[in-house]
Formats: sequence, C-alpha cells, structure tokens
Amino acid sequence: KQEVTQIPAALSVPEGENLVLNCSFTDSAIYNLQWFRQDPGKGLTSLLLIQSSQREQTSGRLNASLDKSSGRSTLYIAASQPGDSATYLCAFTDSWGKLQFGAGTQVVVTP
Amino acid sequence: EAQVTQNPRYLITVTGKKLTVTCSQNMNHEYMSWYRQDPGLGLRQIYYSMNVEVTDKGDVPEGYKVSRKEKRNFPLILESPSPNQTSLYFCASSPLSMGAANYGYTFGSGTRLTVV
Repeated sequence: KQEVTQIPAALSVPEGENLVLNCSFTDSAIYNLQWFRQDPGKGLTSLLLIQSSQREQTSGRLNASLDKSSGRSTLYIAASQPGDSATYLCAFTDSWGKLQFGAGTQVVVTP
Repeated sequence: EAQVTQNPRYLITVTGKKLTVTCSQNMNHEYMSWYRQDPGLGLRQIYYSMNVEVTDKGDVPEGYKVSRKEKRNFPLILESPSPNQTSLYFCASSPLSMGAANYGYTFGSGTRLTVV
C-alpha cells in the first residue's frame, strides 16, 4: 500500500524565516502531486500542483519540487508570515485517480 | 466562479435518522469523490465516481451510499447514521480521465457532521 509521510509533523518558526516542509511517498508511479493548505476546521485550499513530468512549480512565495525517483516533494515558503499558520497537506494522485494524503505538517509562525 | 459546493456546512443528527449531504460542482468534472477527515487518521476516501452512473468504493465505504445521476451532483447518503460517523466530510472533483491525470482536485468547504 502506498504511503505518504510528511516531516515534520509540527513546526514553529518566527516571522520572516523560510519554511521547508517535506513529503515522501513509497511508489514513484504517481500522476501528480498537490500541496494543500487547511485552516483549523476548514476546507482544503490547493496551493500548487506538480504534474508527474515536472520537477517544480512556483507561486509567489511558494515553491514546490518533485523528485519521483527518490519519492520526495518539498514545499518551500519564503519569508514566512503569521498568516501562513495552518496545516499543510501533500497528496498525490495514483493511477486510479485516487488522492493519497499525508498526515500533514502543522505550521505556526510567531510574530 | 469554479467551485465545489457542499451542503449543509454543519449538521447534528440522531442515530438512525437518514441524512443526505449534497455536493455539486460547476466545472464539468468527470471525477468526484467523498473523503472523511478524523483526528489521527487523516483524510480517507469513502466513495468515488469516474462519471455518470459509475461509482465505486473507496477505503471506508461501510455505512455510506452515493449516487451519480447527473455529472454535476454527487450526494453522500447515510441511511442509518451512527456516532462513529461523526466526522468532517469533504467532496472533491477533478477533470481526471483514465490515463490523463494531469489536473488537480478542487475541494468543497466541508460538512461537519455530529451523530448523537
């Protein structure tokens, strides 16, 4: 069974520091990988999508990389702000179209 | 605006009373899916649908039913809810088609269900 692991489980940084969130998966046969943000008790907001043929995607302060051969994706958030506090989830789409989620990294950015 | 709409957002019900959570998308997506999210267990797929009249079980289908009579709608039915179905539910859609999974998912805002 495919597994998705996110490290660390929780992270607290002062405002202005860069954030590095890691996601690993056991099977390289993925169609794409998506990073989501979830605020407490709220829905999932898609941040970045990396197709299986791509190696990275960027949107503003966010950059996500994908290395299928090593089964890893990393989300970088530059110059963190208190508004970045949330849980970040990575998920990949498998060959059946199913999203496989990691458990998430809970981020707190302190002013 | 392209979106997935779930209703209701919050629901408290009693054990055994049938309920339906609606899900509708306006993006003409083929693929729709239901997930539940529980503390410590993450997001788990309940049911999914590849297209109209095509549905299949996910990881935790027990106690749930779905239907896909129209492309835009994918309701989740709990015929006899029990307290262990208390959870946060999400509907999601994607323009996936077999062999062309190059698009991401759009999620609804969630339905918080409490069964007492």
